Amino acid sequence: AQSVTQLGSHVSVSEGALVLLRCNYSSSVPPYLFWYVQYPNQGLQLLLKYTTGATLVKGINGFEAEFKKSETSFHLTKPSAHMSDAAEYFCAVTLRGTGNQFYFGTGPSLTVIP
Amino acid sequence: DTAVSQTPKYLVTQMGNDKSIKCEQNLGHDTMYWYKQDSKKFLKIMFSYNNKELIINETVPNRFSPKSPDKAHLNLHINSLELGDSAVYFCASSTRAGSTGELFFGEGSRLTVL
Repeated sequence: AQSVTQLGSHVSVSEGALVLLRCNYSSSVPPYLFWYVQYPNQGLQLLLKYTTGATLVKGINGFEAEFKKSETSFHLTKPSAHMSDAAEYFCAVTLRGTGNQFYFGTGPSLTVIP
Repeated sequence: DTAVSQTPKYLVTQMGNDKSIKCEQNLGHDTMYWYKQDSKKFLKIMFSYNNKELIINETVPNRFSPKSPDKAHLNLHINSLELGDSAVYFCASSTRAGSTGELFFGEGSRLTVL
Protein backbone atom coordinates (compact mmCIF):
# COMPACT_ATOMS: atom_id res chain seq x y z
CA ALA A 1 0.00 0.00 0.00
CA GLN A 2 1.04 3.56 -0.61
CA SER A 3 1.13 6.22 2.07
CA VAL A 4 2.65 9.52 3.05
CA THR A 5 3.84 10.54 6.50
CA GLN A 6 4.28 14.15 7.53
CA LEU A 7 5.20 14.51 11.17
CA GLY A 8 3.81 17.35 13.23
CA SER A 9 0.63 19.28 12.61
CA HIS A 10 2.23 22.70 13.20
CA VAL A 11 5.61 24.11 12.29
CA SER A 12 6.74 27.60 13.30
CA VAL A 13 9.72 29.44 11.86
CA SER A 14 10.97 32.98 12.18
CA GLU A 15 10.84 35.26 9.17
CA GLY A 16 14.10 34.82 7.27
CA ALA A 17 14.84 31.41 8.78
CA LEU A 18 15.13 28.12 6.93
CA VAL A 19 11.91 26.27 6.24
CA LEU A 20 12.15 22.48 6.40
CA LEU A 21 9.01 20.36 6.05
CA ARG A 22 9.50 16.62 6.14
CA CYS A 23 7.78 14.01 4.02
CA ASN A 24 8.34 10.28 3.95
CA TYR A 25 6.50 7.96 1.66
CA SER A 26 5.82 4.29 1.33
CA SER A 27 5.55 2.84 -2.16
CA SER A 28 6.09 -0.54 -3.73
CA VAL A 29 7.05 0.97 -7.09
CA PRO A 30 8.81 4.19 -8.11
CA PRO A 31 6.46 7.01 -7.22
CA TYR A 32 5.62 10.42 -8.48
CA LEU A 33 5.90 12.90 -5.58
CA PHE A 34 4.27 16.28 -5.13
CA TRP A 35 4.11 19.18 -2.72
CA TYR A 36 0.96 21.25 -2.63
CA VAL A 37 0.28 24.45 -0.70
CA GLN A 38 -3.10 25.55 0.62
CA TYR A 39 -3.57 29.17 1.64
CA PRO A 40 -6.49 29.98 3.96
CA ASN A 41 -9.89 29.44 2.37
CA GLN A 42 -8.38 28.39 -0.93
CA GLY A 43 -7.83 25.20 -2.87
CA LEU A 44 -4.54 23.40 -3.15
CA GLN A 45 -1.98 24.55 -5.66
CA LEU A 46 1.09 22.73 -6.88
CA LEU A 47 4.44 23.85 -5.49
CA LEU A 48 6.63 21.29 -7.21
CA LYS A 49 6.79 17.69 -8.34
CA TYR A 50 9.24 14.86 -8.90
CA THR A 51 8.65 12.34 -11.63
CA THR A 52 11.96 11.19 -13.08
CA GLY A 53 15.42 12.61 -13.65
CA ALA A 54 17.10 15.14 -11.40
CA THR A 55 16.33 14.41 -7.78
CA LEU A 56 16.54 18.04 -6.65
CA VAL A 57 13.40 19.75 -7.84
CA LYS A 58 12.78 23.49 -7.80
CA GLY A 59 9.30 24.90 -7.48
CA ILE A 60 7.49 28.17 -7.18
CA ASN A 61 8.09 30.83 -4.51
CA GLY A 62 11.67 29.70 -3.85
CA PHE A 63 10.79 26.22 -2.60
CA GLU A 64 12.70 23.09 -3.52
CA ALA A 65 12.60 19.42 -2.57
CA GLU A 66 14.97 16.51 -2.91
CA PHE A 67 13.90 12.95 -3.70
CA LYS A 68 16.01 10.48 -1.71
CA LYS A 69 15.10 6.95 -2.66
CA SER A 70 17.30 5.34 0.00
CA GLU A 71 15.52 7.34 2.71
CA THR A 72 12.07 7.25 1.03
CA SER A 73 11.92 10.97 1.63
CA PHE A 74 10.91 14.10 -0.25
CA HIS A 75 11.54 16.96 2.18
CA LEU A 76 10.58 20.51 1.25
CA THR A 77 12.91 23.42 1.96
CA LYS A 78 13.13 27.16 1.48
CA PRO A 79 16.24 29.10 2.54
CA SER A 80 14.41 32.12 3.92
CA ALA A 81 10.82 32.18 5.14
CA HIS A 82 8.48 35.03 4.23
CA MET A 83 5.30 35.99 6.03
CA SER A 84 3.40 35.06 2.87
CA ASP A 85 4.56 31.43 3.23
CA ALA A 86 2.12 30.84 6.10
CA ALA A 87 -0.16 28.06 4.83
CA GLU A 88 -0.83 24.32 4.93
CA TYR A 89 1.65 22.16 3.06
CA PHE A 90 0.72 18.73 1.76
CA CYS A 91 2.99 16.05 0.43
CA ALA A 92 1.38 13.58 -1.97
CA VAL A 93 2.37 10.42 -3.79
CA THR A 94 0.91 8.76 -6.82
CA LEU A 95 2.03 5.72 -8.73
CA ARG A 96 2.74 5.56 -12.41
CA GLY A 97 -0.03 3.88 -14.32
CA THR A 98 -2.53 3.82 -11.47
CA GLY A 99 -4.97 6.23 -12.97
CA ASN A 100 -3.71 8.99 -10.74
CA GLN A 101 -4.79 7.65 -7.35
CA PHE A 102 -3.19 10.24 -5.04
CA TYR A 103 -2.34 9.72 -1.39
CA PHE A 104 -1.93 12.86 0.70
CA GLY A 105 -0.15 13.50 3.96
CA THR A 106 -1.83 15.42 6.76
CA GLY A 107 -0.13 18.80 6.66
CA PRO A 108 1.52 20.59 8.57
CA SER A 109 0.41 24.14 9.02
CA LEU A 110 3.35 26.56 8.70
CA THR A 111 3.39 29.70 10.84
CA VAL A 112 5.94 32.44 10.12
CA ILE A 113 6.82 34.59 13.10
CA PRO A 114 7.81 38.19 12.39
CA ASP B 1 -11.13 32.15 -16.49
CA THR B 2 -11.02 29.86 -13.46
CA ALA B 3 -9.58 26.46 -14.39
CA VAL B 4 -11.61 24.36 -11.92
CA SER B 5 -14.70 26.06 -10.56
CA GLN B 6 -17.09 24.82 -7.90
CA THR B 7 -20.46 26.14 -6.80
CA PRO B 8 -21.58 26.98 -4.27
CA LYS B 9 -18.58 28.04 -2.19
CA TYR B 10 -20.55 27.87 1.04
CA LEU B 11 -23.50 25.67 2.02
CA VAL B 12 -25.30 25.79 5.35
CA THR B 13 -28.15 23.36 5.76
CA GLN B 14 -30.11 21.28 8.23
CA MET B 15 -29.68 17.59 8.95
CA GLY B 16 -31.76 15.42 6.68
CA ASN B 17 -31.72 17.80 3.73
CA ASP B 18 -30.38 16.99 0.26
CA LYS B 19 -27.77 19.22 -1.41
CA SER B 20 -25.66 19.31 -4.56
CA ILE B 21 -22.27 20.75 -5.42
CA LYS B 22 -21.31 21.40 -9.02
CA CYS B 23 -17.87 21.35 -10.58
CA GLU B 24 -16.62 22.36 -13.99
CA GLN B 25 -13.12 22.36 -15.47
CA ASN B 26 -11.97 24.14 -18.62
CA LEU B 27 -8.52 22.55 -18.80
CA GLY B 28 -9.47 19.82 -21.25
CA HIS B 29 -8.64 17.16 -18.67
CA ASP B 30 -10.15 13.69 -18.89
CA THR B 31 -10.23 12.81 -15.18
CA MET B 32 -12.10 14.52 -12.37
CA TYR B 33 -12.24 13.88 -8.62
CA TRP B 34 -14.06 14.69 -5.44
CA TYR B 35 -12.03 15.00 -2.24
CA LYS B 36 -13.28 15.57 1.28
CA GLN B 37 -11.16 17.65 3.67
CA ASP B 38 -12.08 17.26 7.31
CA SER B 39 -11.56 19.68 10.19
CA LYS B 40 -8.00 18.38 10.66
CA LYS B 41 -7.23 19.19 7.03
CA PHE B 42 -6.96 15.51 6.06
CA LEU B 43 -7.73 15.03 2.36
CA LYS B 44 -9.55 11.87 1.39
CA ILE B 45 -10.45 10.78 -2.12
CA MET B 46 -14.13 10.05 -2.57
CA PHE B 47 -14.65 9.50 -6.28
CA SER B 48 -12.85 9.73 -9.58
CA TYR B 49 -14.26 9.77 -13.10
CA ASN B 50 -12.37 9.31 -16.33
CA ASN B 51 -14.26 10.34 -19.46
CA LYS B 52 -17.57 10.07 -17.59
CA GLU B 53 -16.73 6.58 -16.28
CA LEU B 54 -16.38 5.95 -12.55
CA ILE B 55 -12.86 4.65 -11.83
CA ILE B 56 -12.37 5.29 -8.11
CA ASN B 57 -15.12 4.84 -5.58
CA GLU B 58 -13.73 4.81 -2.08
CA THR B 59 -15.71 3.71 0.94
CA VAL B 60 -18.26 6.48 0.94
CA PRO B 61 -21.86 6.20 2.18
CA ASN B 62 -24.27 5.65 -0.69
CA ARG B 63 -25.96 8.90 0.33
CA PHE B 64 -23.21 10.46 -1.80
CA SER B 65 -23.80 10.12 -5.52
CA PRO B 66 -21.50 11.60 -8.14
CA LYS B 67 -22.70 12.37 -11.64
CA SER B 68 -20.58 13.23 -14.66
CA PRO B 69 -22.70 14.46 -17.59
CA ASP B 70 -19.56 15.04 -19.66
CA LYS B 71 -15.84 14.99 -19.04
CA ALA B 72 -15.77 18.68 -18.11
CA HIS B 73 -18.33 18.36 -15.33
CA LEU B 74 -18.56 16.33 -12.15
CA ASN B 75 -21.34 17.01 -9.68
CA LEU B 76 -21.84 15.65 -6.18
CA HIS B 77 -25.26 15.05 -4.72
CA ILE B 78 -25.67 14.28 -1.03
CA ASN B 79 -28.90 12.87 0.39
CA SER B 80 -30.08 12.92 3.99
CA LEU B 81 -27.25 15.09 5.26
CA GLU B 82 -25.69 14.22 8.62
CA LEU B 83 -23.61 16.29 11.03
CA GLY B 84 -20.50 14.29 10.07
CA ASP B 85 -20.82 15.42 6.47
CA SER B 86 -19.66 18.89 7.50
CA ALA B 87 -16.38 19.41 5.68
CA VAL B 88 -14.80 21.17 2.74
CA TYR B 89 -15.35 19.33 -0.52
CA PHE B 90 -12.79 19.85 -3.27
CA CYS B 91 -13.18 19.08 -6.91
CA ALA B 92 -10.00 18.41 -8.88
CA SER B 93 -9.01 17.40 -12.38
CA SER B 94 -6.02 15.91 -14.15
CA THR B 95 -4.94 14.15 -17.28
CA ARG B 96 -4.53 10.46 -16.84
CA ALA B 97 -2.61 8.07 -18.99
CA GLY B 98 0.95 8.79 -19.97
CA SER B 99 1.38 11.93 -17.93
CA THR B 100 2.67 13.06 -14.57
CA GLY B 101 -0.91 13.93 -13.83
CA GLU B 102 -0.76 16.57 -11.15
CA LEU B 103 -4.11 17.56 -9.72
CA PHE B 104 -5.67 20.96 -10.30
CA PHE B 105 -8.04 21.89 -7.49
CA GLY B 106 -11.08 24.07 -7.23
CA GLU B 107 -11.41 26.51 -4.34
CA GLY B 108 -13.58 24.18 -2.32
CA SER B 109 -17.17 24.10 -1.12
CA ARG B 110 -17.57 24.42 2.63
CA LEU B 111 -20.57 22.41 3.80
CA THR B 112 -21.95 23.00 7.28
CA VAL B 113 -24.70 20.71 8.52
CA LEU B 114 -26.62 21.99 11.55
